[in-house]
Amino acid sequence: EIVLTQSPDFQSVTPKEKVTITCRASQSIGRSLHWYQQKPDQSPKLLIKYTSQSIPGVPSRFSGSGSGTVFTLTINTLEAEDAAAYYCHQSGSLPFTFGPGTKVDIK
Amino acid sequence: EVQLLESGGGLEQPGGSLRLSCAVSGFTFNDYALNWVRQAPGRGLEWVSSISGGGEDTYYADSVKGRFTISRDNSKNTLYLQMNTLRAEDTALYYCARGVIRGALDYWGQGTLVTVSS
Repeated sequence: EIVLTQSPDFQSVTPKEKVTITCRASQSIGRSLHWYQQKPDQSPKLLIKYTSQSIPGVPSRFSGSGSGTVFTLTINTLEAEDAAAYYCHQSGSLPFTFGPGTKVDIK
Repeated sequence: EVQLLESGGGLEQPGGSLRLSCAVSGFTFNDYALNWVRQAPGRGLEWVSSISGGGEDTYYADSVKGRFTISRDNSKNTLYLQMNTLRAEDTALYYCARGVIRGALDYWGQGTLVTVSS
């Protein structure tokens, strides 16, 4: 099973700051890595697919990069509405797995 | 508009069974794989199972293999999860989600809560 780890676990950020979340895979997964945002009491929402592909309707301040075993989600110019948990998800190898999540809080 | 609506959750005793359903609308049902993902209270997301668009291919997490069965009725636009031999650790909010096999999950339902307790 491919284990995904995320760092940091938690980040408290001021609006307009830049946020970078890292997801590391225990084995190479190519570019089969996706990012989701989950706000309290809501379902997860797809932000980025296949490492860096944008999703219609998702603000352009969200971007992704990486390959192999190290991936990053970047939120440029953080807004208050971005307070949420962020999860990475790999679909390159069965069983599919999620990272443990990174909680982003607004100062 | 794509919609996924889960139902069938509830309180069940350890060792019992439940069947979850997910009614889908807004897209051509058999063009997409469907998935179950669960979230234990206060915890992260856990992939449970996936089924291909035609229903011929199914995949399971090790934690549910042999106990849970995913299926779909393409005539009713409905996804199912038959859950047998339930354990306390199966307690979670169960989401159905649309995607492609080995791809991202682009639409999610609101979830149905399963509680396993005596």
